Amino acid sequence: AQRVTQPEKLLSVFKGAPVELKCNYSYSGSPELFWYVQYSRQRLQLLLRHISRESIKGFTADLNKGETSFHLKKPFAQEEDSAMYYCALKGTGANNLFFGTGTRLTVIP
Amino acid sequence: GAVVSQHPSWVICKSGTSVKIECRSLDFQATTMFWYRQFPKQSLMLMATSNEGSKATYEQGVEKDKFLINHASLTLSTLTVTSAHPEDSSFYICSARDSVGGYEQYFGPGTRLTVT
Repeated sequence: AQRVTQPEKLLSVFKGAPVELKCNYSYSGSPELFWYVQYSRQRLQLLLRHISRESIKGFTADLNKGETSFHLKKPFAQEEDSAMYYCALKGTGANNLFFGTGTRLTVIP
Repeated sequence: GAVVSQHPSWVICKSGTSVKIECRSLDFQATTMFWYRQFPKQSLMLMATSNEGSKATYEQGVEKDKFLINHASLTLSTLTVTSAHPEDSSFYICSARDSVGGYEQYFGPGTRLTVT
């Protein structure tokens, strides 16, 4: 069975500090991993996915198959990064996304 | 960019009545749409996958007779909550997958349902 775990419901960091939002997954095959972000009063939107290996808004995430993790990182947090972040998994051949419980990031000025 | 709309954005209804929520892909075609439910401060839970022109696929534990899904066109899927009860009060979010674009799902803004 697939599972996505985000151990931190709340995370607060000071502006300019590094931030890491943790995501661990459980899946027997080769999943696709995503990070979605939901800013206040806005809809959920894709932030990045592991396949593209890109940096979006300064965020990066590396898929570590050995540790089954896909942590989201940013070296210097900004106030506008405050939002709800969801890690999501798409199984092999599947259409749908399976979401973690989310982490609310607050960047303190 | 791809936009998904939902209507209404919020609705209040009495117990026992039915409510229909629409999900539209505005500038792309979506053979597949998804319906999620989100409880306060909790994650999105997939309710069903809606496929254009065929029956929806419901997740385990979701009553298909209570949550009727219709995906009659490539740009419209509807979710009807039948005989609503207060415990059906929730935030319902749809997403649509671009038939051409591939992997990405685009999310609607959600519909807040309150059953009194």
